[in-house]
Formats: sequence, C-alpha cells, structure tokens
Amino acid sequence: KAGVTQTPRYLIKTRGQQVTLSCSPISGHRSVSWYQQTPGQGLQFLFEYFSETQRNKGNFPGRFSGRQFSNSRSEMNVSTLELGDSALYLCASSLISQHEQFFGPGTRLTVL
Amino acid sequence: AQSVTQLDSQVPVFEEAPVELRCNYSSSVSVYLFWYVQYPNQGLQLLLKYLSGSTLVKGINGFEAEFNKSQTSFHLRKPSVHISDTAEYFCAVGGSARQLTFGSGTQLTVLP
Repeated sequence: KAGVTQTPRYLIKTRGQQVTLSCSPISGHRSVSWYQQTPGQGLQFLFEYFSETQRNKGNFPGRFSGRQFSNSRSEMNVSTLELGDSALYLCASSLISQHEQFFGPGTRLTVL
Repeated sequence: AQSVTQLDSQVPVFEEAPVELRCNYSSSVSVYLFWYVQYPNQGLQLLLKYLSGSTLVKGINGFEAEFNKSQTSFHLRKPSVHISDTAEYFCAVGGSARQLTFGSGTQLTVLP
C-alpha cells in the first residue's frame, strides 16, 4: 500500500507570496492532519480534516488555511508569506477508527 | 492541555551498547503515547504506540517502551544499537482529538 505522498517536496518563495501544498493520504484513510516543523518551535499541529471538514485547529494565524476534497486529498495554503514560515510541513493520515498517524516525507518551504 | 518533555536533546552511544531515550508527559485525561523516528530529510516513521493494555510495548527495529502511569513516563529502549539507528526520535502524546503534541526530540548518535 502506498504511503502518504506530499507535493512538492521543495519550494522556494519570497515574502508576501502565497503557497499551496498538497497531500494524498494512504488509501482508505479519511483523516488528514498537518504539522509544521521548525528548529526553534519543533513540531506543531496546524489542523486536521475529516470528511472535508476541519475538526481541529492549532494556534496559527489565519494566514494558514486548508481544505480537504471528497477523495480525502488535502491542501494547505499559506498567504502573505513571512520569513518565519520557512519550515518542513508534514502531512499525516489515519483511519478514523485508529489513533496512530502516518506521516509523509514533508514539503520543505523556504521563504526568502 | 498536554505536554511532552524529552529530557535529553542529544544521546551519543557506542554501537552494540544499550540505549534509553527518556520521555515524560502531562495530561489531564487518558492519553495515547507514541514514539516516532525521523531520518535526515525524511518524514516521521512510527516506531511504536501505547493505546491501552500491556504497559510494555514492542515496536519496529528492536525498540520497546514502557508506559508508567504513576511516573507519567514512556521511555524508549533498545538493548543493542546499530549505526543505522542514528536519527532523531520524537515522543508524542495524543488524546481523543486527532492532534499530536510532540516533545522537542532526542538526537541519537551511534558511534562506531
């Protein structure tokens, strides 16, 4: 069974731009969560989607948003990029009946 | 609120020696506990999980962990490490919501 896939793997943007990251969960997984990983703040929860609805949201500004499609694929968007948004963005999927989450390889975003 | 403390940011150990990576958590409700491993430029791989039942859980690659409710700990152990175990290890706690709270990570370096 294929794992979680994320595209693109690497991205370079400049301040003020916006970016969209994509995540395809493991087949059959309907819950998708997003995390930000930085050297200073570590791993932080962004949000979780299930059945196209955001169920939980972490403590991030409104510039961070996401959505989920009917096939469970998810996208996250960051508008008006700031230097501090440079990070590894990780997507994780899970079966709704289970608690463990399976992570993708991440998208490395660099904001210049 | 939940929190996770990984007491050691770096653990150097010689090949074939045993290792213990320490993790303490705090939570006001029942928790689920996880250990993930991250190799350079990769996402997180689930090593093992504690959901309920036996307090000693075994995971992949010869790792095991023991859940201690009275000490609110979930330490990770391996009796004999290999060079290939060099990576960063994260302890995480989850609850009923699908939102993981991670520790700051422990860099395990296995020396020849």
